[in-house]
Amino acid sequence: GAGVSQTPSNKVTEKGKYVELRCDPISGHTALYWYRQSLGQGPEFLIYFQGTGAADDSGLPNDRFFAVRPEGSVSTLKIQRTERGDSAVYLCASSPQGTNTEAFFGQGTRLTVV
Amino acid sequence: AQSVTQPDIHITVSEGASLELRCNYSYGATPYLFWYVQSPGQGLQLLLKYFSGDTLVQGIKGFEAEFKRSQSSFNLRKPSVHWSDAAEYFCAVAANNAGNMLTFGGGTRLMVKP
Repeated sequence: GAGVSQTPSNKVTEKGKYVELRCDPISGHTALYWYRQSLGQGPEFLIYFQGTGAADDSGLPNDRFFAVRPEGSVSTLKIQRTERGDSAVYLCASSPQGTNTEAFFGQGTRLTVV
Repeated sequence: AQSVTQPDIHITVSEGASLELRCNYSYGATPYLFWYVQSPGQGLQLLLKYFSGDTLVQGIKGFEAEFKRSQSSFNLRKPSVHWSDAAEYFCAVAANNAGNMLTFGGGTRLMVKP
């Protein structure tokens, strides 16, 4: 596609449920990033993939959060036992490589935990 | 670890007036610096970036920013604001070996008066 695609655009889930958020990066981009943006704040880094492997997952807040990118393209962010505090916009970005290049952001998935 | 401070949460300017959005960063070495714009319902769009070289950087939509190492600042400027510039602006920093693993500031919301 022309840009980074994230699905769904909105997700409402009940506290304690499991959710999956999907990111389709720009074709050919080897680097993929997940960020979380809470209301009124700047995005916060969660995890960075270079190819299929997680190069840095230091931003994941706890072990309820997990992300995969099995074929080096599409990535899925998985959240177990969701809590109300997980409500935020989850942003995905991709870039041709890890350094000295522009990252292109998707429009995000707005997650609401009720 | 790096950090970014955007001291102004909201700024209102008249259309046609000049604009300066402040950004201060904390990082032990020369960072990579970025300005992004986020309009309602839109993804983050890169306005400009600084990696090295000339400290005055030109970006899209008539924006520019100046890296001042002595002040740990990377302020964004525009000589004449248009109503379409109303949006949220984010300054971000990356370690110089960390590509697009960005640390964002809290953002500045720009409102433009007719």
